[in-house]
Amino acid sequence: KAGVTQTPRYLIKTRGQQVTLSCSPISGHRSVSWYQQTPGQGLQFLFEYFSETQRNKGNFPGRFSGRQFSNSRSEMNVSTLELGDSALYLCASSLTGATGNTIYFGEGSWLTVV
Amino acid sequence: TQLLEQSPQFLSIQEGENLTVYCNSSSVFSSLQWYRQEPGEGPVLLVTVVTGGEVKKLKRLTFQFGDARKDSSLHITAAQPGDTGLYLCAGVNYGGSQGNLIFGKGTKLSVKP
Repeated sequence: KAGVTQTPRYLIKTRGQQVTLSCSPISGHRSVSWYQQTPGQGLQFLFEYFSETQRNKGNFPGRFSGRQFSNSRSEMNVSTLELGDSALYLCASSLTGATGNTIYFGEGSWLTVV
Repeated sequence: TQLLEQSPQFLSIQEGENLTVYCNSSSVFSSLQWYRQEPGEGPVLLVTVVTGGEVKKLKRLTFQFGDARKDSSLHITAAQPGDTGLYLCAGVNYGGSQGNLIFGKGTKLSVKP
């Protein structure tokens, strides 16, 4: 079966711009989570969506937002980009997020802010 | 704030050697997962340990969850170059979702032929 698909894979943006990243989960998966990965901080949780509702949110500023559509596809948006937002953004999906579910990660979207 | 500390941060060994990676926290988790991430790819789940004291084996990899559910270890026997990668541990809070994982910063393993 197809894995978690993230688009775009690579992008370069300028400070102050905004960016939207997309994630298509594995078919049938309703839980979608987003993580930011940087060399200094490692993987940090951004937010989780389940059935179009935000279920959990990490400790990131309000410039980071997301949403989930009825087909479980998810998008995250970062407004007013800062240099420190340069990172690998990873999306993960599972059936419901319950213990015992296997979690699958996408290959990520590499964002560079210049 | 819950933290997962992984050690060592970097490990470079020769093929055939054994190694152990540690994941420690002052917090209790309902379960703990181990992932391996290769350059340019997302993390891949290796194992989930749920019961305190639990030991799971995956070929040459042995995972253990501490009795108090605060720590875990990953032991690799006779490491091979294909084991090279970033090993990450991740904890799940009690009552929380696996969609909200707390990750350690990882152990970067390099196995030389």
